[in-house]
Amino acid sequence: SQTIHQWPATLVQPVGSPLSLECTVEGTSNPNLYWYRQAAGRGLQLLFYSVGIGQISSEVPQNLSASRPQDRQFILSSKKLLLSDSGFYLCAWSAGWGRSETQYFGPGTRLLVL
Amino acid sequence: AQTVTQSQPEMSVQEAETVTLSCTYDTSENNYYLFWYKQPPSRQMILVIRQEAYKQQNATENRFSVNFQKAAKSFSLKISDSQLGDTAMYFCALRGSARQLTFGSGTQLTVLP
Repeated sequence: SQTIHQWPATLVQPVGSPLSLECTVEGTSNPNLYWYRQAAGRGLQLLFYSVGIGQISSEVPQNLSASRPQDRQFILSSKKLLLSDSGFYLCAWSAGWGRSETQYFGPGTRLLVL
Repeated sequence: AQTVTQSQPEMSVQEAETVTLSCTYDTSENNYYLFWYKQPPSRQMILVIRQEAYKQQNATENRFSVNFQKAAKSFSLKISDSQLGDTAMYFCALRGSARQLTFGSGTQLTVLP
């Protein structure tokens, strides 16, 4: 069966520091991968998605970036964090293509920028 | 543009009773999928149930079922025999031809003992 991992689970970072969040998927090949952000008490906002190695699409312009160095690895980065980057970051994976594509989520990373 | 609206920020239900969560949406597409996800206190998003817009039969997964009214663009979730473990934030989501899921703002459901 497929599993999705995210780390770290919780992160506290000062403003202006760099960021690297990692997501890995097991048990499937060539998954579609997604990064979402959830602000406190709010719904999810899609940040990036990737359909293959090195292929990244950005949905929301900001100071974050994403990379996919391996088939089942998706990384969310920032060179300098802002206070507004605080939130809950969720990685998701899916297989296939089209409207029936169902996304499955990881356990998330709680980021607090001080 | 797609929108998903959940008009009930909070709801509560007694254990073993039935509760219905509301969701309405707007899309110009004819073929799309609708989903309900739950987010318990651990904050992991868990798929509850999904429905294809072309299927008239309402989806069912054990104690969870939906009432899909395509013309009214309504997609409600019914939870039967509510259990304490059902306490969570519930999100309705829509996926059309665009890659992203459009989420509603969520309904916090509390099951009372």
